[in-house]
Amino acid sequence: GAGVSQSPSNKVTEKGKDVELRCDPISGHTALYWYRQSLGQGLEFLIYFQGNSAPDKSGLPSDRFSAERTGGSVSTLTIQRTQQEDSAVYLCASSQDRSNRYGYTFGSGTRLTVV
Amino acid sequence: AQKITQTQPGMFVQEKEAVTLDCTYDTSDPSYGLFWYKQPSSGEMIFLIYQGSYDQQNATEGRYSLNFQKARKSANLVISASQLGDSAMYFCAMREGPDNYGQNFVFGPGTRLSVLP
Repeated sequence: GAGVSQSPSNKVTEKGKDVELRCDPISGHTALYWYRQSLGQGLEFLIYFQGNSAPDKSGLPSDRFSAERTGGSVSTLTIQRTQQEDSAVYLCASSQDRSNRYGYTFGSGTRLTVV
Repeated sequence: AQKITQTQPGMFVQEKEAVTLDCTYDTSDPSYGLFWYKQPSSGEMIFLIYQGSYDQQNATEGRYSLNFQKARKSANLVISASQLGDSAMYFCAMREGPDNYGQNFVFGPGTRLSVLP
């Protein structure tokens, strides 16, 4: 596609429920990243995929968070047993290859609200 | 310790004037990249400009320039001839490691710029 697509754009869920957030990167981009942005804060790294390599999961805040990337393209971020502190905007970004000289292209994010 | 510091939570500038947004960083890696992103109210992150640690000249992209002072570990963004559409959050970010090494970025807390008519 022309840009990084994220769905849903907004999600309201009850505490304790599981949610899945989807990211469709730019076609041909081998690197994909997930970030979390809490209200008024900067971006917090969650996880990074590069081609067929094992993902860098060092930013995942707890074992309730997981992500996968199927076929080197679409990625799904799953949050199990959601908590109120999980409320944030979840941003996905992709880049063409290992070279990040020109930065990432970000999606518009999924705003998650846990009530 | 904070890797990226942006000391100005909010800034105001008059339309058509220039403005400097501060960014200092902390790394012991000799190879790194510095980035600035703009985040308007729509929420999307827009890449503005990049400076590599070995680049000899300060980066420029249209009305954006990066005042890179390596010894001071400073990478300030200068926006010339501000426009109303420049009102947004601005984030400074750093990638540690060489250009061809996939690595996550560290983002600063951001500066909210408001351009006044």
